[in-house]
Amino acid sequence: AQSVTQPDIHITVSEGASLELRCNYSYGATPYLFWYVQSPGQGLQLLLKYFSGDTLVQGIKGFEAEFKRSQSSFNLRKPSVHWSDAAEYFCAVGAPGTGGFKTIFGAGTRLFVKA
Amino acid sequence: AAGVIQSPRHLIKEKRETATLKCYPIPRHDTVYWYQQGPGQDPQFLISFYEKMQSDKGSIPDRFSAQQFSDYHSELNMSSLELGDSALYFCASREEGQVNEQFFGPGTRLTVL
Repeated sequence: AQSVTQPDIHITVSEGASLELRCNYSYGATPYLFWYVQSPGQGLQLLLKYFSGDTLVQGIKGFEAEFKRSQSSFNLRKPSVHWSDAAEYFCAVGAPGTGGFKTIFGAGTRLFVKA
Repeated sequence: AAGVIQSPRHLIKEKRETATLKCYPIPRHDTVYWYQQGPGQDPQFLISFYEKMQSDKGSIPDRFSAQQFSDYHSELNMSSLELGDSALYFCASREEGQVNEQFFGPGTRLTVL
């Protein structure tokens, strides 16, 4: 079955420091991969997505992610974190198949940014 | 660009009451999905509809039902509400056969007292 693992429940980084959020997936074929960000009490905002092609994808707000098939990973990175980046980040895999397409989310990583 | 619309955005109910959440997909999107996100949890898939027929079912309680109407909007009906039903309910839509991506609405926050 498809699954997504985000090993870090929470991460704290200093403002201006670099960030990497880890994501590992389990899926038999080439997955459709997503990163979403959610501020407290708010909806899900799509940061970036990977369907095929270049394994390094650029997203909004200066985020990027790299798909590594050999490691079944899709880690999210940002070179310099801003205080406004503090939020919950969800990695997700889109799983087409019988019954239709649905999104499976990881448990999320809460990012704290310290001044 | 048009987005997924959910109403109401906030809803407060008492235990054992019923609630109806509505979702209006992006125009031309024929598939609708419902997700439930409990406090501190990741969104969990509940149910989906394609062309007004249920297409997939996840961890949806028997007290909940949903349907998709001829105009493709969907309603999630929740009966005998329990405290544990307090959550953020997301609707997402997709155009079948097109991009493999769901577009999420802003969510309805349900609080059961």
